[in-house]
Amino acid sequence: DSGVTQTPKHLITATGQRVTLRCSPRSGDLSVYWYQQSLDQGLQFLIQYYNGEERAKGNILERFSAQQFPDLHSELNLSSLELGDSALYFCASSLWAGQGLGNTIYFGEGSWLTVV
Amino acid sequence: GENVEQHPSTLSVQEGDSAVIKCTYSDSASNYFPWYKQELGKGPQLIIDIRSNVGEKKDQRIAVTLNKTAKHFSLHITETQPEDSAVYFCAASSRGGADGLTFGKGTHLIIQP
Repeated sequence: DSGVTQTPKHLITATGQRVTLRCSPRSGDLSVYWYQQSLDQGLQFLIQYYNGEERAKGNILERFSAQQFPDLHSELNLSSLELGDSALYFCASSLWAGQGLGNTIYFGEGSWLTVV
Repeated sequence: GENVEQHPSTLSVQEGDSAVIKCTYSDSASNYFPWYKQELGKGPQLIIDIRSNVGEKKDQRIAVTLNKTAKHFSLHITETQPEDSAVYFCAASSRGGADGLTFGKGTHLIIQP
């Protein structure tokens, strides 16, 4: 158990809908990351927050947004969903901001999103 | 941005033999190279990492080597066991992590009994 908690574990929704994925980081971790895993694209970095502020942005679509709340939990909002958004969405956390230099990033078990 | 290539995509070895997975990266500024293991239904788990100022690092049966000149790094697993069966991902971090971790496509390691 990495200590990163994600809900829901599975979600099925229709095209055009909006969903919210929730993440609680490991106790003491200030940085939260969102990654998308799909068969064709692999693991792709979406966005990072550090202590409530957006820190880095990756391949996140404009239809997607995220935020980190004062209690450090984070939510990833996916709107106007398309079939191609079906994927496993991972939240990860680390103690501080740098995604390298030995700042270990711990992944949650993911939220499976199926868009039908 | 960074591009990470990982080979092979599938690797089958006999239990007890060694397994080697190789990755190359494109950005010479990358300075951190973690390896993750992902078991079915679980999130990736860090198993070992190496920084650019180190050529090799070992942790029991696993080791990672880094060749900065050639821009490639490898994961070595010795005395493989059935529980080593999983998908392994290499990753690289450049620009101090500002672009996030860039992952390879993964290697499905199968340990044959």
